[in-house]
Amino acid sequence: EPEVTQTPSHQVTQMGQEVILRCVPISNHLYFYWYRQILGQKVEFLVSFYNNEISEKSEIFDDQFSVERPDGSNFTLKIRSTKLEDSAMYFCAGGAGSNTEAFFGQGTRLTVV
Amino acid sequence: AQSVSQHNHHVILSEAASLELGCNYSYGGTVNLFWYVQYPGQHLQLLLKYFSGDPLVKGIKGFEAEFIKSKFSFNLRKPSVQWSDTAEYFCAVIMNRDDKIIFGKGTRLHILP
Repeated sequence: EPEVTQTPSHQVTQMGQEVILRCVPISNHLYFYWYRQILGQKVEFLVSFYNNEISEKSEIFDDQFSVERPDGSNFTLKIRSTKLEDSAMYFCAGGAGSNTEAFFGQGTRLTVV
Repeated sequence: AQSVSQHNHHVILSEAASLELGCNYSYGGTVNLFWYVQYPGQHLQLLLKYFSGDPLVKGIKGFEAEFIKSKFSFNLRKPSVQWSDTAEYFCAVIMNRDDKIIFGKGTRLHILP
């Protein structure tokens, strides 16, 4: 069964450093998402991506964040200068349609120290 | 603001007990509704979904949910839980043909053997 894969599973980084979280969505999906979950809190929407551009982003997704789909398979989330409060589990997801269910990866646990 | 509320944050049950997890959303328009489950150490998986038609939907592993439009609710039920149902359960909504899923805070379910 096809699945969404995310790497790395856990990343520790120093405050102020750049991180890139990687995702390989299911091949026939067209819509892509990043969500995050701070420990003990709810899963929060960050950004949606369709047709090689951002279709929607939340207030959390400020100028420090960017997304790319550089080669038609990988879907990356970059945080330019990490802050302590960026520590969270980051989930990549993809869907075949704009308002259908999303299929999630296992997540990357980002720890900023 | 559009939101999804899950009333029970932590539920503890014995095996064979019946389960009902509450979910309400605040939006008056068309919605697509989901329940996702996250087993320990695993990714978010779709349990069931409602887009239209019969408001009582059946999902995997014996779970079902009922959409009550007048109550803005989509409660999850299972007549007899098993130890393997121990997981975190997330109610989620797509509002008005939007392309992002909004999650509730989740309910941590712990089943005693």
